[in-house]
Amino acid sequence: GNSVTQMEGPVTLSEEAFLTINCTYTATGYPSLFWYVQYPGEGLQLLLKATKADDKGSNKGFEATYRKETTSFHLEKGSVQVSDSAVYFCALINAGKSTFGDGTTLTVKP
Amino acid sequence: NAGVTQTPKFRVLKTGQSMTLLCAQDMNHEYMYWYRQDPGMGLRLIHYSVGEGTTAKGEVPDGYNVSRLKKQNFLLGLESAAPSQTSVYFCASSPMRQGPVAVGEQYFGPGTRLTVT
Repeated sequence: GNSVTQMEGPVTLSEEAFLTINCTYTATGYPSLFWYVQYPGEGLQLLLKATKADDKGSNKGFEATYRKETTSFHLEKGSVQVSDSAVYFCALINAGKSTFGDGTTLTVKP
Repeated sequence: NAGVTQTPKFRVLKTGQSMTLLCAQDMNHEYMYWYRQDPGMGLRLIHYSVGEGTTAKGEVPDGYNVSRLKKQNFLLGLESAAPSQTSVYFCASSPMRQGPVAVGEQYFGPGTRLTVT
């Protein structure tokens, strides 16, 4: 079956620090990969996506590259802000069925 | 354009009671999903639907039933609630395809917080 593994959190950074949240997956075929963000008390929002190998998704300074050879989709941001504090989920969709990672809580301190 | 809406927002049930959660989307999406979110466990897929009149089991389907009689609605039913079903439930929809490309991004509702005592 499909699975998504995220680095365990929580992650605490100072403002303007570099962020990496690791995500690896197992799936047959050619899944699409996603990062979602969840703010307290809200539903998930799409942050970025990649639909095939070597695609780079980017949004709001966040980036992730679909690496089929390492089955990874790591999330990065060069300079985090306090407003980036949230829970981040890596996910895949394969043949219509979705699988999410457990989420990584990011706290950014001023 | 309301996006994905969920009814109700909060509910408290006693063990053994039944209820139905309603999810509605106005984006003409083909795919719809029901998840539960528990602390430290991310989102787990309960059931999903790839089109009107079709449903399929997800990762944790036991104790739940679903129906997709209309394209815009996806109902999640609990026939006999148990304390283990205390959770936050999220519905999502997805267009799955935009032209020839399978995209699959999901649009989430605000969630329903269910407590079973």
